[in-house]
Amino acid sequence: AQKITQTQPGMFVQEKEAVTLDCTYDTSDQSYGLFWYKQPSSGEMIFLIYQGSYDEQNATEGRYSLNFQKARKSANLVISASQLGDSAMYFCAMREVTNAGKSTFGDGTTLTVKP
Amino acid sequence: EAGVAQSPRYKIIEKRQSVAFWCNPISGHATLYWYQQILGQGPKLLIQFQNNGVVDDSQLPKDRFSAERLKGVDSTLKIQPAKLEDSAVYLCASSFPRQGRPGNTIYFGEGSWLTVV
Repeated sequence: AQKITQTQPGMFVQEKEAVTLDCTYDTSDQSYGLFWYKQPSSGEMIFLIYQGSYDEQNATEGRYSLNFQKARKSANLVISASQLGDSAMYFCAMREVTNAGKSTFGDGTTLTVKP
Repeated sequence: EAGVAQSPRYKIIEKRQSVAFWCNPISGHATLYWYQQILGQGPKLLIQFQNNGVVDDSQLPKDRFSAERLKGVDSTLKIQPAKLEDSAVYLCASSFPRQGRPGNTIYFGEGSWLTVV
């Protein structure tokens, strides 16, 4: 069964510094995708970045990058130059090609950016 | 491009009453999802549709929850009778399926906040 683990319930970072949010996953599939979403207090889920299991390079999207270590089954999100607006809940998610493309989310990490 | 539309945004009901949520996915998205998100937790998939067929409803409490997607476009999620523990945000989402590829992004609506008192 697929499972996502986010071990950091809450994280603090100083404005303009970088922060890493941890995510480990478990799957028996060879082909899968990993996603990160941001959820501000307003409740909407905002897609940030995607990494495919066969992608050789780590994904990057602006200030977001994904540190993908396939052998360790980890997909950590790195946010560079943190901004106050980055304060939110962050969710790691996975989708497998088999199992009807079912998606599984972790329980999230609350990030607080301090001025 | 219009996003995923959901209504109502907020609903307060008494336990044992019924409630229905509506969702209209992004145009052209064949896959539609309903998630339940309890405060402090990640979204939990309740049901996934591919066009108007159900591909996964393993976590849907079928004794009280039902969902349909007639004509393969918009969808309704119903709860009857509601319990206190159903208080949560119900998120509808959609994606454009690419056969054999897991990378199609799931786009979410703003959610329907349910409080059962």
